[in-house]
Amino acid sequence: GNSVTQMEGPVTLSEEAFLTINCTYTATGYPSLFWYVQYPGEGLQLLLKATKADDKGSNKGFEATYRKETTSFHLEKGSVQVSDSAVYFCALRDSNSGYALNFGKGTSLLVTP
Amino acid sequence: KAGVTQTPRYLIKTRGQQVTLSCSPISGHRSVSWYQQTPGQGLQFLFEYFSETQRNKGNFPGRFSGRQFSNSRSEMNVSTLELGDSALYLCASSFDSWTPAFFGQGTRLTVV
Repeated sequence: GNSVTQMEGPVTLSEEAFLTINCTYTATGYPSLFWYVQYPGEGLQLLLKATKADDKGSNKGFEATYRKETTSFHLEKGSVQVSDSAVYFCALRDSNSGYALNFGKGTSLLVTP
Repeated sequence: KAGVTQTPRYLIKTRGQQVTLSCSPISGHRSVSWYQQTPGQGLQFLFEYFSETQRNKGNFPGRFSGRQFSNSRSEMNVSTLELGDSALYLCASSFDSWTPAFFGQGTRLTVV
């Protein structure tokens, strides 16, 4: 079946540091890949997406590239801010699972001034 | 454009009771999905409704049920509540199953 594996957190970075959150997946079909972000006490916000191999999703300085050969979708940002502190979830969906989103366990990010 | 609205935001119920949660999707979205979020199990898919029909269902007991109305609003019901049902319940709407899903703020259910 489908599955998503994310790096364990928490990740603590200083402001303006480079961020990478690793995400790898297992899927039997051709999934679309997503990153969602959850701020304390809130629901999930769609951060970026990619629907096919080699697509690069980007938003608010965050980027992730769909790598089929390594089954990965790592999230990166060149310079993090305190306001980026949140929990980040990698997710996939495909027709084999009826398009239900399959989430990783989430990576907590804390950015300190 | 208004986002996904879930009501209520917080609920406290007693074991054995039942509860109904409500979700109003983004205007024009026909697909509504429900997810349960707990610290131990993470985010798990409950079910999806499209045009008033359940199209997909996760691995949850029959105590968890839902429905969708003609205006796409959806409700989920949990009967005979157990302590382990305490969770954040998230609703997501999308135009169709494969288009990006947008989430509401969730309903925090506490079972005591």
